[in-house]
Amino acid sequence: ILNVEQSPQSLHVQEGDSTNFTCSFPSSNFYALHWYRWETAKSPEALFVMTLNGDEKKKGRISATLNTKEGYSYLYIKGSQPEDSATYLCAFFNQAGTALIFGKGTTLSVSS
Amino acid sequence: DSGVTQTPKHLITATGQRVTLRCSPRSGDLSVYWYQQSLDQGLQFLIQYYNGEERAKGNILERFSAQQFPDLHSELNLSSLELGDSALYFCASSELAGGPDTQYFGPGTRLTVL
Repeated sequence: ILNVEQSPQSLHVQEGDSTNFTCSFPSSNFYALHWYRWETAKSPEALFVMTLNGDEKKKGRISATLNTKEGYSYLYIKGSQPEDSATYLCAFFNQAGTALIFGKGTTLSVSS
Repeated sequence: DSGVTQTPKHLITATGQRVTLRCSPRSGDLSVYWYQQSLDQGLQFLIQYYNGEERAKGNILERFSAQQFPDLHSELNLSSLELGDSALYFCASSELAGGPDTQYFGPGTRLTVL
């Protein structure tokens, strides 16, 4: 059974803090790793798709890294702002699979 | 706005009934995916269609079925509804059908079965 684990489940930070979350996935037959941002009452919004070991992607204050050999990805948010409050989902696709397997997400709350 | 539309936004129905959820993908996208989000569960993949053909099947119940039409819109049919089918149902679309393709999600349909 393919499992995608995200930690922490939730966290609360102050405006201006930098933070990071972890996504763990099976390292065998890796194909792609997706990160999504999901705000309350909205739909998941794609942040990054990464396919190569060592990939680093950046969008504004948010960046992500990928280690396919050990099966983890980190998402970093620099200088968190209240509008960063959302659930961050990662999803894994392996070569043998036919669909994205989503983790349960990390819910970030940023206080001003 | 992702460009993916879903109707209806909300649906309230009774056990034993049948409902149809509709999805229109982004212009140019050939793949449509259906997901279920239940309480305390992550997004669960149900089924994928690519250019009118079923491409992948996930944890979709036999009471559920889907299809993709020539204009590429898709419908998810849920029948003999049970209380446990209450959930948020998302449709997503992508340009092609592979793992690295970004999926764009619609606003979802919230189904409540009473």
